[in-house]
Amino acid sequence: DADVTQTPRNRITKTGKRIMLECSQTKGHDRMYWYRQDPGLGLRLIYYSFDVKDINKGEISDGYSVSRQAQAKFSLSLESAIPNQTALYFCATSDGKGRRGRGPEAFFGQGTRLTVV
Amino acid sequence: GEDVEQSLFLSVREGDSSVINCTYTDSSSTYLYWYKQEPGAGLQLLTYIFSNMDMKQDQRLTVLLNKKDKHLSLRIADTQTGDSAIYFCAEIPNQAGTALIFGKGTTLSVSS
Repeated sequence: DADVTQTPRNRITKTGKRIMLECSQTKGHDRMYWYRQDPGLGLRLIYYSFDVKDINKGEISDGYSVSRQAQAKFSLSLESAIPNQTALYFCATSDGKGRRGRGPEAFFGQGTRLTVV
Repeated sequence: GEDVEQSLFLSVREGDSSVINCTYTDSSSTYLYWYKQEPGAGLQLLTYIFSNMDMKQDQRLTVLLNKKDKHLSLRIADTQTGDSAIYFCAEIPNQAGTALIFGKGTTLSVSS
């Protein structure tokens, strides 16, 4: 089983619909992140959470909201989807500390490909 | 805000060396990273370097860090077709706790 699981893997939705992308992790990490990937733009941070009671906006939070239901679960919602939210969305986790001289490492899910028509 | 800059494309022949360059933003970034994304997959950590190092070698990979110029590079020796992927440079601008900030990614194409 994957350490970071995203559901769904693919989704097509209509403009104006509400949609939720879910992420769960078995790494036991406190920190979770949502990124979106667009061709030529790399990964941009949408929201991040350092523990269950902590939610922070990233670079491009407008049009999105998140919920940290538990340490292992972090969901991303599009309240009213629009076509320019068509992208590949990644969830990631990190313990933020690193160990044995290694820096903190982020572990990524396989991504959710969202298309808004 | 400032961006982590990378060239978007690199094309090499199998067996040649590949060099992917990156300019990062925060001179206080303690760790700098290279992630690899294969087609249809998520990102995987390829290697990293601590900011008090100038160079790190790991099998076919060599990372060079120039802190003065905030320049990071990844050299892949004897590039193989399986190395074709998107490579992302990333930093954590504030060790106290913001997320990884990524460059736009360099698409490496290896021809046989």
